[in-house]
Amino acid sequence: KNEVEQSPQNLTAQEGEFITINCSYSVGISALHWLQQHPGGGIVSLFMLSSGKKKHGRLIATINIQEKHSSLHITASHPRDSAVYICAVEAYSNYQLIWGAGTKLIIKP
Amino acid sequence: DSGVTQTPKHLITATGQRVTLRCSPRSGDLSVYWYQQSLDQGLQFLIQYYNGEERAKGNILERFSAQQFPDLHSELNLSSLELGDSALYFCASSPQRAAPTGELFFGEGSRLTVL
Repeated sequence: KNEVEQSPQNLTAQEGEFITINCSYSVGISALHWLQQHPGGGIVSLFMLSSGKKKHGRLIATINIQEKHSSLHITASHPRDSAVYICAVEAYSNYQLIWGAGTKLIIKP
Repeated sequence: DSGVTQTPKHLITATGQRVTLRCSPRSGDLSVYWYQQSLDQGLQFLIQYYNGEERAKGNILERFSAQQFPDLHSELNLSSLELGDSALYFCASSPQRAAPTGELFFGEGSRLTVL
């Protein structure tokens, strides 16, 4: 079993829909990162969380440390949100990042 | 623009050859991380440097080596290349020391194709 599990692996939705991507992890962590990888390959850091909730524009990230679970939400989704969304956790034991496999999101106009 | 510069963007070479990938971190960032992303795979951590010193090692092959120079740029050397080394190689930088407990800034990647 992977230490970081993302779901769903693939998600196709219509423009305007509310999107939720989930990340569960099994190790103790010091922080959790959400990143976006564009179709061209570039990676952008979206959020770094250690507790609670963060919001940036239409993106919201939440984390529940007790349940070892985080969610990334996109409100009013748009085709330009189409990308792979990656969850990565910093292991508390050695601070190294453990990467999820990513969720491929396609937003259709 | 993340502020992290990677060169070359694309590189095509033959098996058995050696290549060097270069990364210039964001101004002021002392940590540099190298990652490998093979086709349809997740990011694999290779190695981290902080202020010129190796800080952590991941799944880096013995054929691969890296260093960080006094001006903080880093190079990843890949030798005796094999077909399976074809991948996107990302560099990321962070101001932090022991951990990326802070935002990571990624370069656009170097796409290596080994024929």
